[in-house]
Amino acid sequence: NAGVTQTPKFRILKIGQSMTLQCAQDMNHNYMYWYRQDPGMGLKLIYYSVGAGITDKGEVPNGYNVSRSTTEDFPLRLELAAPSQTSVYFCASGGGLNTEAFFGQGTRLTVV
Amino acid sequence: QKEVEQNSGPLSVPEGAIASLNCTYSDRGSQSFFWYRQYSGKSPELIMFIYSNGDKEDGRFTAQLNKASQYVSLLIRDSQPSDSATYLCAVTGNAGKSTFGDGTTLTVKP
Repeated sequence: NAGVTQTPKFRILKIGQSMTLQCAQDMNHNYMYWYRQDPGMGLKLIYYSVGAGITDKGEVPNGYNVSRSTTEDFPLRLELAAPSQTSVYFCASGGGLNTEAFFGQGTRLTVV
Repeated sequence: QKEVEQNSGPLSVPEGAIASLNCTYSDRGSQSFFWYRQYSGKSPELIMFIYSNGDKEDGRFTAQLNKASQYVSLLIRDSQPSDSATYLCAVTGNAGKSTFGDGTTLTVKP
């Protein structure tokens, strides 16, 4: 039972570098989400997708991009990393409006 | 105004007491409401969801929803030290957007 798999688990980036956080789910869920969680805070929605080929901005999309070419994968791209993007990133997937979201184990990103 | 607001906490209750967690939301079109528990350094995990007005009970947990007041709550009866965690309220709108509150940290003291 893989569920939602995020890679990498940890990463240190230098200011101005770029990277892609990978997220894959094997539950055939239509809904997928990217959140960031700063220390002591809740989850802020970055982007979400309601199906392959469909993405939409959340609360804090600036500095990030996403794509959803397949049902399974929902990568998050960081361009020109900044210290303000230091956070824990969670990917989640869900089957629909009235079903729970299943979370990956998170990616701890530090930008120095 | 934040889309989802929770009582700020932290909340501390003695073992065996009732813990009450509250959440309000701004979007009247919101359809489903979730409570997640998050232990330090871990991913959120679902405790309960509710989408109809009224109460929903599951063991020691009761979720209450009042759509007219745009209010959802979670009661934890007979609180245990293992319930000590951060509790996150999440609200999903009809476009599939799922938004979280900032969480309430609960400590249950033995």
